Amino acid sequence: QKEVEQNSGPLSVPEGAIASLNCTYSDRGSQSFFWYRQYSGKSPELIMFIYSNGDKEDGRFTAQLNKASQYVSLLIRDSQPSDSATYLCAVNEIMDSNYQLIWGAGTKLIIKP
Amino acid sequence: EAEVAQSPRYKITEKSQAVAFWCDPISGHATLYWYRQILGQGPELLVQFQDESVVDDSQLPKDRFSAERLKGVDSTLKIQPAELGDSAMYLCASSPGGGLQETQYFGPGTRLLVL
Repeated sequence: QKEVEQNSGPLSVPEGAIASLNCTYSDRGSQSFFWYRQYSGKSPELIMFIYSNGDKEDGRFTAQLNKASQYVSLLIRDSQPSDSATYLCAVNEIMDSNYQLIWGAGTKLIIKP
Repeated sequence: EAEVAQSPRYKITEKSQAVAFWCDPISGHATLYWYRQILGQGPELLVQFQDESVVDDSQLPKDRFSAERLKGVDSTLKIQPAELGDSAMYLCASSPGGGLQETQYFGPGTRLLVL
């Protein structure tokens, strides 16, 4: 059973601080990883994807991947109240010859003004 | 910017009634996914299409749920009869070809409430 684990939160972070969201996965052979943001009552929207070990930066967002330790993280710098949402981690896995996303349950992030 | 379209956005129905959801993926996207998401959980894949063919419906409750994508473009998900436990957000997503490094793009979703 391939699994993706996230702390459900809520994670409370002061405005302007760095928010750190973590995700672990069970399949050592996993190769592609995605972070989605989901506002309450809305559908998931892609924040970032990462395929290689190390850091990938996009504006205020940085994704970090460590395949040896089987974790992927998302850092949000200069957190804003508009960043308050649930962040979903997803890992692309081969399932019966089809690629499918295995999803974590999400971490709820609250940015306090 | 191309988007995934879904309708209706909200649906309230009584148990034992039939409901149907429609999805139009991003133009040119061969792979279409239907998910169900219960509050506080990640999306659960119900069915995956590659063009007009079902490639995975292992988590679809086939006694009451059906899905089709007849011409390999838009798709319909049906529930007959609806049960109280079907209340959830139903999400449609699409990707170009279902490959390892492809992003899935989501529509706005349909929120279903069964009374």
